[in-house]
Amino acid sequence: DGGITQSPKYLFRKEGQNVTLSCEQNLNHDAMYWYRQDPGQGLRLIYYSQIVNDFQKGDIAEGYSVSREKKESFPLTVTSAQKNPTAFYLCASRWGTSGTTGELFFGEGSRLTVL
Amino acid sequence: GQSLEQPSEVTAVEGAIVQINCTYQTSGFYGLSWYQQHDGGAPTFLSYNALDGLEETGRFSSFLSRSDSYGYLLLQELQMKDSASYFCAVRGNMDTGRRALTFGSGTRLQVQP
Repeated sequence: DGGITQSPKYLFRKEGQNVTLSCEQNLNHDAMYWYRQDPGQGLRLIYYSQIVNDFQKGDIAEGYSVSREKKESFPLTVTSAQKNPTAFYLCASRWGTSGTTGELFFGEGSRLTVL
Repeated sequence: GQSLEQPSEVTAVEGAIVQINCTYQTSGFYGLSWYQQHDGGAPTFLSYNALDGLEETGRFSSFLSRSDSYGYLLLQELQMKDSASYFCAVRGNMDTGRRALTFGSGTRLQVQP
């Protein structure tokens, strides 16, 4: 079955530690995205990538880093510079410019808690 | 920047019709999307309006008026399983070249028996 896999589902981190969230898709989608969701809030864009080896900052990129070395993979690193990293992180993908609706397909999310 | 406003909560009874509004302050976007998210789950795509007017998909319909900077999601024949959060989102920004969705803060719908 095609889909987006995020891991880990739950993650606990001590202050000052970097942590990397995995996102893998086998949908052959060109574009991939990372969103952050806080309780009772909407989704805020962290980073996105339209093609391999290219990515752009979203609205809240500070304290985060990404890479896009393979089409299938778009890992997100939450660095110690992110002051309030506890949140629900959602990875998504979509077809490239050929998509008519721009529909995003989301993974099941990774819930990060900083102790 | 782009901003979208939605009511924070809406309550309705089973079998009824409910409308969730979305007003936005942005221009030059490609279209307006709607997503549903159950508690703890991933958002799922419901509907998309590229042009002004009404789009119907089963029990769900979505409307866009660019001249009024306004859209809405209409849910008919409400079922208990429709209890969820609903998000509007604008696709892209022709002014900046950004090709990503910007989401509203979401509306929590509670369907009562």
